[in-house]
Amino acid sequence: SQKIEQNSEALNIQEGKTATLTCNYTNYSPAYLQWYRQDPGRGPVFLLLIRENEKEKRKERLKVTFDTTLKQSLFHITASQPADSATYLCALPGSSNTGKLIFGQGTTLQVKP
Amino acid sequence: ETGVTQTPRHLVMGMTNKKSLKCEQHLGHNAMYWYKQSAKKPLELMFVYNFKEQTENNSVPSRFSPECPNSSHLFLHLHTLQPEDSALYLCASSRGDRTSGRGNEQFFGPGTRLTVL
Repeated sequence: SQKIEQNSEALNIQEGKTATLTCNYTNYSPAYLQWYRQDPGRGPVFLLLIRENEKEKRKERLKVTFDTTLKQSLFHITASQPADSATYLCALPGSSNTGKLIFGQGTTLQVKP
Repeated sequence: ETGVTQTPRHLVMGMTNKKSLKCEQHLGHNAMYWYKQSAKKPLELMFVYNFKEQTENNSVPSRFSPECPNSSHLFLHLHTLQPEDSALYLCASSRGDRTSGRGNEQFFGPGTRLTVL
């Protein structure tokens, strides 16, 4: 089955810097990969989806890359703000076509003013 | 109301109780999901319903019983739970697809914080 690895250690950065989070997977190459944001005590919120034939996707200050050779996705937040502090989850589809997603454990980002 | 709603937001129950969690989506989606989120663990998929049919059961113990009466509502019936079942239970919905997984984004509710004594 698919295994996803995200850095379990919190990432602390200074406001204005670029945050880079990593998502590695170990088995089959997924058709797409999604990133979500989760605040404490709340459900995750979808941010971006990138497909296997896309190298990069952008949305405002967010950028996601997808390297199927390295089996890795990078998630960047440029000009980070304290309001970006949250846990960021990457998710890949399960092997069935039911819409099932497998989530990583998430990386907590703390942006200090 | 818009989006995905869940009730109750908090629930405390004894091991011999029977209770139900409710999820409702107002997005016109056809797929609904139950997830369990325990502290320091990844989100764990429990069940998937596509067009009211259960299409995924992730080896969930029978003390959790899902019900999907229509595409807008999803229930999780709980009975004789164990303390280790204490967690945040999240419901989600997505557009759903009968033919293949197209990567439809999932919209999550706020969750029910369940404590089993």
